[in-house]
Amino acid sequence: QKEVEQNSGPLSVPEGAIASLNCTYSDRVSQSFFWYRQYSGKSPELIMSIYSNGDKEDGRFTAQLNKASQYVSLLIRDSQPSDSATYLCAVTSSGGYNKLIFGAGTRLAVHP
Amino acid sequence: NAGVTQTPKFQVLKTGQSMTLQCAQDMNHNSMYWYRQDPGMGLRLIYYSASEGTTDKGEVPNGYNVSRLNKREFSLRLESAAPSQTSVYFCASRGTGGAEKLFFGSGTQLSVL
Repeated sequence: QKEVEQNSGPLSVPEGAIASLNCTYSDRVSQSFFWYRQYSGKSPELIMSIYSNGDKEDGRFTAQLNKASQYVSLLIRDSQPSDSATYLCAVTSSGGYNKLIFGAGTRLAVHP
Repeated sequence: NAGVTQTPKFQVLKTGQSMTLQCAQDMNHNSMYWYRQDPGMGLRLIYYSASEGTTDKGEVPNGYNVSRLNKREFSLRLESAAPSQTSVYFCASRGTGGAEKLFFGSGTQLSVL
């Protein structure tokens, strides 16, 4: 069983819609959760981090965390074609920040 | 300010050849990492260095060695390359004081024939 699971997609949404990306994790000791965006052929970049249950908003992005269900999600409002990328979920393990566990990523395609 | 610089960007090796991937950061970060990324597998940690002078194994260390040459540089060596090591390799660094953000280099596309 993978430690961090994501639907590989592609998730296709029309421009202006809300894109919802989901991630589940298996290690109950995980404390910190991250979303990285990776454009094709480029390196990942951090877009959101969340540590407590509930929602965290940053511009058009909202991260949601439910530790009881071991579930973290990323919502992108007013999706733009420039949001088309692969979104990687990452969680800390017992090794802390030095041993982040990444999911395989969900490919998002926003079409005009 | 270049951030994290990796070389080379592309490399083709024959099975059994050796090579070293170079990584340098100019952000005075303590921690540095080497990941590999394969289709459908996400990023997997090969080795990391929490501080100058220390290195530790990650999820997939077999077939690799690392050297933390100084605070800036962290190299990854393949002693005898195998086709299973065909992948995209990313170097990353992280700051101190509980900083969580990883800064990634631009990646190395390695093919082992």
